[in-house]
Amino acid sequence: KAGVTQTPRYLIKTRGQQVTLSCSPISGHRSVSWYQQTPGQGLQFLFEYFSETQRNKGNFPGRFSGRQFSNSRSEMNVSTLELGDSALYLCASSLGTNSYNSPLHFGNGTRLTVT
Amino acid sequence: QKEVEQNSGPLSVPEGAIASLNCTYSDRGSQSFFWYRQYSGKSPELIMFIYSNGDKEDGRFTAQLNKASQYVSLLIRDSQPSDSATYLCALLNQAGTALIFGKGTTLSVSS
Repeated sequence: KAGVTQTPRYLIKTRGQQVTLSCSPISGHRSVSWYQQTPGQGLQFLFEYFSETQRNKGNFPGRFSGRQFSNSRSEMNVSTLELGDSALYLCASSLGTNSYNSPLHFGNGTRLTVT
Repeated sequence: QKEVEQNSGPLSVPEGAIASLNCTYSDRGSQSFFWYRQYSGKSPELIMFIYSNGDKEDGRFTAQLNKASQYVSLLIRDSQPSDSATYLCALLNQAGTALIFGKGTTLSVSS
């Protein structure tokens, strides 16, 4: 069974630009979550989608947005990039119906560098 | 107070010893807890989850949960150099829609 796939693996962008990251969940998983990981703040929750609906959003500015498609694939977008957005962005999927019995499985992440 | 707190370490133990990793949390309503392991440059991978008070064992790993004292711990018996990694404690939010992570404890097992 294929794991969670994130593309691209690496991105270098300039301040002010926007970026779109993609995530394909494990087959059959309907929940997709996004996390930002930085050395200073650790893993921080961005948002979670289930069946194309955003169920929860973390404490991030509106420049961070996402969506989920009918095939459960998800994208997240960051507009007007800032230097502080440089981080590893991790996508995770789960069955989403009962989380402690269907834990998160993480992708390999997208490393975003903003210059 | 942070929702999930972990000692950042590094925690250094010799090969074969027991490594004890601890985590405290602030939300008394939290029900489910997870331990993830993250090797340098890799993504987190699930080791165990626990939602009942007491101990849960899986091979060399034992998770312990004490809801009254609001702490979760992970014991690694017979530690191996391959256990050297960052261990992340996480709790499931009450809506069941997000995992809240601690910043992780770095474990170093020396041979």
